[in-house]
Amino acid sequence: TAGITQAPTSQILAAGRSMTLRCTQDMRHNAMYWYRQDLGLGLRLIHYSNTAGTTGKGEVPDGYSVSRANTDDFPLTLASAVPSQTSVYFCATSPDRGQETQYFGPGTRLLVL
Amino acid sequence: GENVEQHPSTLSVQEGDSAVIKCTYSDSASNYFPWYKQELGKGPQLIIDIRSNVGEKKDQRIAVTLNKTAKHFSLHITETQPEDSAVYFCAASKGSNYQLIWGAGTKLIIKP
Repeated sequence: TAGITQAPTSQILAAGRSMTLRCTQDMRHNAMYWYRQDLGLGLRLIHYSNTAGTTGKGEVPDGYSVSRANTDDFPLTLASAVPSQTSVYFCATSPDRGQETQYFGPGTRLLVL
Repeated sequence: GENVEQHPSTLSVQEGDSAVIKCTYSDSASNYFPWYKQELGKGPQLIIDIRSNVGEKKDQRIAVTLNKTAKHFSLHITETQPEDSAVYFCAASKGSNYQLIWGAGTKLIIKP
């Protein structure tokens, strides 16, 4: 079973360029999340979606946008990348917006130069 | 704002010994406390969780304890094995909703 796939696995991006990180799930989970993981800071929530058609801002949303056109896909877009967006990005899902297990994808490693 | 502090940042124990990782949280409304294990190059994976109406939960070699009065919770791993080497994260729900506030992580090293 695929679970959650993220693409690309890694990317080097020039500052000022735009990029979309892709996340696709096959578990039919309602809730999806985007986190960034930086050394010493744990995981920080960027944006979330409780269900298809809705999105919300997390702890660190500035510089990022998301959309949720359907249940399976939750892309994260950096409109104009900056070096401080260098991080590992994880997509996660949970069956519903309640307090249930979050399942994580393998991550995308992004370096912004 | 709400935060979760996790200690220690690195823990090295002899194989077979026990390991304890501690977290404190600030939001008195938090009522869900999961622990995740992250292996190198992978995403975090839930290993155990506890809700505020329970003081302790155990699953084979791992256990979690919760002290709501003191606002801290701990992960206990007994009879540690090499495959327990990983980074462990605690988290607390932001109030009673679905968002999680994460600790900074503990790198657990099991020495052979």
